[in-house]
Amino acid sequence: DIQMTQSPSTLSASVGDRVTITCRASQSISSWLAWYQQKPGKAPKLLIDKASSLESGVPSRFSGSGSGTDFTLTISSLQPDDFATYYCQQYSGYYHSFGQGTKLEIK
Amino acid sequence: EVQLVQSGAEVKKPGESLKISCKGSGYSFSNNWIAWVRQMPGKGLEWMGIIYPSDSNIRYSPSFQGQVTISADKSISTAYLQWGSLKASDTAMYFCARHGDWEPLRNWGQGTLVTVSS
Repeated sequence: DIQMTQSPSTLSASVGDRVTITCRASQSISSWLAWYQQKPGKAPKLLIDKASSLESGVPSRFSGSGSGTDFTLTISSLQPDDFATYYCQQYSGYYHSFGQGTKLEIK
Repeated sequence: EVQLVQSGAEVKKPGESLKISCKGSGYSFSNNWIAWVRQMPGKGLEWMGIIYPSDSNIRYSPSFQGQVTISADKSISTAYLQWGSLKASDTAMYFCARHGDWEPLRNWGQGTLVTVSS
């Protein structure tokens, strides 16, 4: 099975900062990579699919890039609503898997 | 509007059985995959497995194979996750989510909290 490794596990940042979260797959997944945002007590929300396609309604300050095994999620200018936990997920084939998550905290 | 509505919170004792549900609406239930995702308290998301209701094609994560059973009744647009004998370590929030072929998890249920305690 494909392992997903996210870093960092925790990220402290301020409103207005630019932040980047990385995700590495244990084997090539082409662009079959999604990013989710989860707030406490809520279901995850899909932000980006196919590594770089922004979901409808997601602010343009979110962007994704990468292919193969290395991917990034960038938030260009953090807003108060962005402090949450972010997960990458590979969906190559039948068997999917998540990264361990990155908690974005207010500095 | 696509909706996935899960059954309510459960409190069970170790060794008891349990079946939780996820009812889909607003889309073709039979022709989309339903995934189950576990989130233990304070931890990350774990992909458990998927079912394609049209033909009951089921795939389990190796971590969950033999530990749970995934099923679906397409006549009532409902998917299920069940345990034969619960353990304290099954205490978690369980989410169902919908996806198409080669798609991420676009729509999620609200989650079902399962608590297993003696």
